[in-house]
Amino acid sequence: DTAVSQTPKYLVTQMGNDKSIKCEQNLGHDTMYWYKQDSKKFLKIMFSYNNKELIINETVPNRFSPKSPDKAHLNLHINSLELGDSAVYFCASSQGDRAYEQYFGPGTRLTVT
Amino acid sequence: LAKTTQPISMDSYEGQEVNITCSHNNIATNDYITWYQQFPSQGPRFIIQGYKTKVTNEVASLFIPADRKSSTLSLPRVSLSDTAVYYCLVGDMRNAGNMLTFGGGTRLMVKP
Repeated sequence: DTAVSQTPKYLVTQMGNDKSIKCEQNLGHDTMYWYKQDSKKFLKIMFSYNNKELIINETVPNRFSPKSPDKAHLNLHINSLELGDSAVYFCASSQGDRAYEQYFGPGTRLTVT
Repeated sequence: LAKTTQPISMDSYEGQEVNITCSHNNIATNDYITWYQQFPSQGPRFIIQGYKTKVTNEVASLFIPADRKSSTLSLPRVSLSDTAVYYCLVGDMRNAGNMLTFGGGTRLMVKP
């Protein structure tokens, strides 16, 4: 059973489009995250979401918005896609005060043309 | 979060012990040291965390000197499947509000 899953695995779209990436975790964790890994392999936190509290990395454009329909899901919506949004996006989750031990999904490779 | 410095890359051979050192001179009293592993085309995976002295689990050991300004991840008898990028993170990350910050990591290449 997959602990943290993401769909789709690959996403190719054109500039200006709006797209979503879905994330689900079956670990019963209370916190979920989104990360962006660029072409140089640097992994940057975008959002942390816990008990309806959203913590945003200040460098993330407001075109990106996480939406959580329930504790097990944290979807990432991206509006007006730009070329620079091309990257691999990872979802992760953790439990309680063990935020240092995060479980990552397989990633979604987004390509904006 | 404390800034970390680790080698960009390392090479090793199967069966050898690999030690990856991370420098974190401005580590704070409440900071912990955490290591993650990332295989190609996969998300990072938590390996180990420590505060001081030595921590060991089924995957690795973590050595932290008394001044805590550096730490060493030790992988015993590596195999080809240990080829990955290893990230050292330093901070008080028990709270989800203190988000993980990944640096450049160390790219370990294990050769036959």
